[in-house]
Amino acid sequence: AQSVTQLGSHVSVSEGALVLLRCNYSSSVPPYLFWYVQYPNQGLQLLLKYTSAATLVKGINGFEAEFKKSETSFHLTKPSAHMSDAAEYFCAVSQASGTYKYIFGTGTRLKVLA
Amino acid sequence: DTAVSQTPKYLVTQMGNDKSIKCEQNLGHDTMYWYKQDSKKFLKIMFSYNNKELIINETVPNRFSPKSPDKAHLNLHINSLELGDSAVYFCASSHSGAVNTEAFFGQGTRLTVV
Repeated sequence: AQSVTQLGSHVSVSEGALVLLRCNYSSSVPPYLFWYVQYPNQGLQLLLKYTSAATLVKGINGFEAEFKKSETSFHLTKPSAHMSDAAEYFCAVSQASGTYKYIFGTGTRLKVLA
Repeated sequence: DTAVSQTPKYLVTQMGNDKSIKCEQNLGHDTMYWYKQDSKKFLKIMFSYNNKELIINETVPNRFSPKSPDKAHLNLHINSLELGDSAVYFCASSHSGAVNTEAFFGQGTRLTVV
């Protein structure tokens, strides 16, 4: 069975500071991993995805994530937070083929302080 | 040019009523989903359909009945609405046969049962 765990339901950073959102996964098959962002009253938008081509994945809006198999982690980072980054962030996992299910973590609300 | 569109965006109704939410995707995907997001932002899959066939039914009450008239549409009908059904319902779609595919989400339908 697959699952993801997001440590920290709320994270606050100052504008310009490093953003680090944590995600650990559990999967018995090679996983596909995703980070989505949800702005208030909106749907989920893909930030980036890991597909085994490269362990360091760059996404939109300056975000990136590194897949570490030894740590079963896929943490999301951004060097310098912007006020517009304030949102809910979700890590998700699916299996590599025949995907009929995306399993989401419980989400992390990012707050950016001026 | 909305990729995944749901209607209505907001739905307020009384307990015991029956309501439907419609979803359409124009991405040519073969798999569609319904997710429920509760007040704590937790996203849980309800159903997934592949080529109009039900693939996943995650122990959802029988009062919820999805219908997929074709690959581009997946509607959700809810009978005898209860207070606990209040949530945001997201439709999503993906291409099951593609490598590294992500799910595309609609904007959500906020259902409030009073």
